[in-house]
Amino acid sequence: DTGVSQNPRHKITKRGQNVTFRCDPISEHNRLYWYRQTLGQGPEFLTYFQNEAQLEKSRLLSDRFSAERPKGSFSTLEIQRTEQGDSAMYLCASSLVEVGSPLHFGNGTRLTVT
Amino acid sequence: GQNIDQPTEMTATEGAIVQINCTYQTSGFNGLFWYQQHAGEAPTFLSYNVLDGLEEKGRFSSFLSRSKGYSYLLLKELQMKDSASYLCAVRDNYGQNFVFGPGTRLSVLP
Repeated sequence: DTGVSQNPRHKITKRGQNVTFRCDPISEHNRLYWYRQTLGQGPEFLTYFQNEAQLEKSRLLSDRFSAERPKGSFSTLEIQRTEQGDSAMYLCASSLVEVGSPLHFGNGTRLTVT
Repeated sequence: GQNIDQPTEMTATEGAIVQINCTYQTSGFNGLFWYQQHAGEAPTFLSYNVLDGLEEKGRFSSFLSRSKGYSYLLLKELQMKDSASYLCAVRDNYGQNFVFGPGTRLSVLP
């Protein structure tokens, strides 16, 4: 068990560019979550998958954001036409389905949009 | 709607006891989780409550009252390394999503 892995750790991009982040969950976990966190705030839910199915998306997830989990293993989060307000830490977490199973977080991808 | 409240900041002295409160109003309830997050790091799981009462885990305990929509995290024998943000999260029973509070930043002073 190597934990949840996220790449890259840091991304600096110019406004208007597209960015893509990757998350590799704990292998036996079938649920995968994406959160966004800004300084001094708790994580805000973006979306989650059970296996390859995307089961819920937040209203915060505008049409510029898309997430995939094509084979029920790793996931990608893409942000198109980035804006300065997208600057945040993007956290991925995975869990089992069972009640009481906690989220296990990756170290996050810090995005800075200039 | 979903609403989770926690105090923004707390300060305590090394060796003391501190209680961090969390109140919640959510559309469903399937358990309450506490996480610790050191600056610049990912949140790590501390405790879980789904039934009313106290769960003890070493220096950390967590309490839940579902009728009051209230939980607290109790930290005993505080150490400097306990300086961190503490996040309260509720798992709803519709989408199985985890909704997080804003976090409480705890500073432990010598």
